[in-house]
Amino acid sequence: AQKITQTQPGMFVQEKEAVTLDCTYDTSDPSYGLFWYKQPSSGEMIFLIYQGSYDQQNATEGRYSLNFQKARKSANLVISASQLGDSAMYFCAMRVRGATNKLIFGTGTLLAVQP
Amino acid sequence: DVKVTQSSRYLVKRTGEKVFLECVQDMDHENMFWYRQDPGLGLRLIYFSYDVKMKEKGDIPEGYSVSREKKERFSLILESASTNQTSMYLCASSPGQGRRAFFGQGTRLTVV
Repeated sequence: AQKITQTQPGMFVQEKEAVTLDCTYDTSDPSYGLFWYKQPSSGEMIFLIYQGSYDQQNATEGRYSLNFQKARKSANLVISASQLGDSAMYFCAMRVRGATNKLIFGTGTLLAVQP
Repeated sequence: DVKVTQSSRYLVKRTGEKVFLECVQDMDHENMFWYRQDPGLGLRLIYFSYDVKMKEKGDIPEGYSVSREKKERFSLILESASTNQTSMYLCASSPGQGRRAFFGQGTRLTVV
């Protein structure tokens, strides 16, 4: 069965510091993609970053990077230099490639950035 | 600009009513998804569709059905709404082997 686990329901971080949001996943399929989405209080789902299972390098998008450890089945999101606007819910998601491309999400981590 | 549009932002229905939640995408995507979002539970997949008239159950399909008669439209149907279906419902679409899914703005459904 495929599963995404986010063990941190909530986190605090000081403005300008880096923060790591944890995500572990479970799949027996060798081909899959991992995603992080941000959901601010407005409710919209904002795509942040993507990592393919065969990608050799860790994905980076501006202040976001994905710490991909395939053997440990973890895909942690690192936000560098946190800003007040980073306060939001963050979801990790996985899609297993194949005919149906099912996309599943974790339970989310609520990040609060403190001034 | 890519767009996924859900027919209503807020909806209030009575117990036992048949409820239709509509989702339309303008990106010619093969895949469409319906999730419900509840505090502490994240996004749970109700149903998804990978082609017209093709559908698969997600993790929590009980009490729901779906319809995809046209590629751009994916409907979620609550056959007989119950109070435990009060939730935020999110629709998403993505290309066949796409790197990301695009989300609608969500429908907050309250069943009274």
